[in-house]
Amino acid sequence: DARVTQTPRHKVTEMGQEVTMRCQPILGHNTVFWYRQTMMQGLELLAYFRNRAPLDDSGMPKDRFSAEMPDATLATLKIQPSEPRDSAVYFCASDPEESAFFGQGTRLTVV
Amino acid sequence: QKEVEQNSGPLSVPEGAIASLNCTYSDRGSQSFFWYRQYSGKSPELIMFIYSNGDKEDGRFTAQLNKASQYVSLLIRDSQPSDSATYLCAVKAGRRALTFGSGTRLQVQP
Repeated sequence: DARVTQTPRHKVTEMGQEVTMRCQPILGHNTVFWYRQTMMQGLELLAYFRNRAPLDDSGMPKDRFSAEMPDATLATLKIQPSEPRDSAVYFCASDPEESAFFGQGTRLTVV
Repeated sequence: QKEVEQNSGPLSVPEGAIASLNCTYSDRGSQSFFWYRQYSGKSPELIMFIYSNGDKEDGRFTAQLNKASQYVSLLIRDSQPSDSATYLCAVKAGRRALTFGSGTRLQVQP
């Protein structure tokens, strides 16, 4: 049963702490996306990679967010330092060529 | 103006009726169009995609595309309470990432 796996599923952290979210894309999918979903903004693209190379990270606040793909089975999204406005659900999705298949998301709460 | 616009709803229809969900987009270079369903607290799941003008049917779902009007719609026939969810429209230009609308919340009343 191929699926995108995200960890952790839930994270509560204090403002100023570092947060790392991990994603294992579906094997064979060469494009990986990070989206953020909030009630106010909906689903926003933060960054995406194709064949592990970053293609677009214009949606990410560069001063605090970073995204990497150290190998084909792992993508990471890091926030340092975290702020209350970062509270959202962060989705990873992978894509064989067209549509995107989403992971279950990481619900982040920054207090 | 957002790139992909959807009425947030809620759209309320009685069980067995046809639900019609609409979406407009601003990028004329968009080539691929998708409908995702998202249940509360869950992740979006793909239900249909369409590339060409006209209609595409899959079971109770029909996607309609009019590129000249920059308009995409999703019809759900014989709506069921289990169809109650938020429906997200997404568009894609070339090999770029999907751009999503904010979604329309559908409520099917038993």
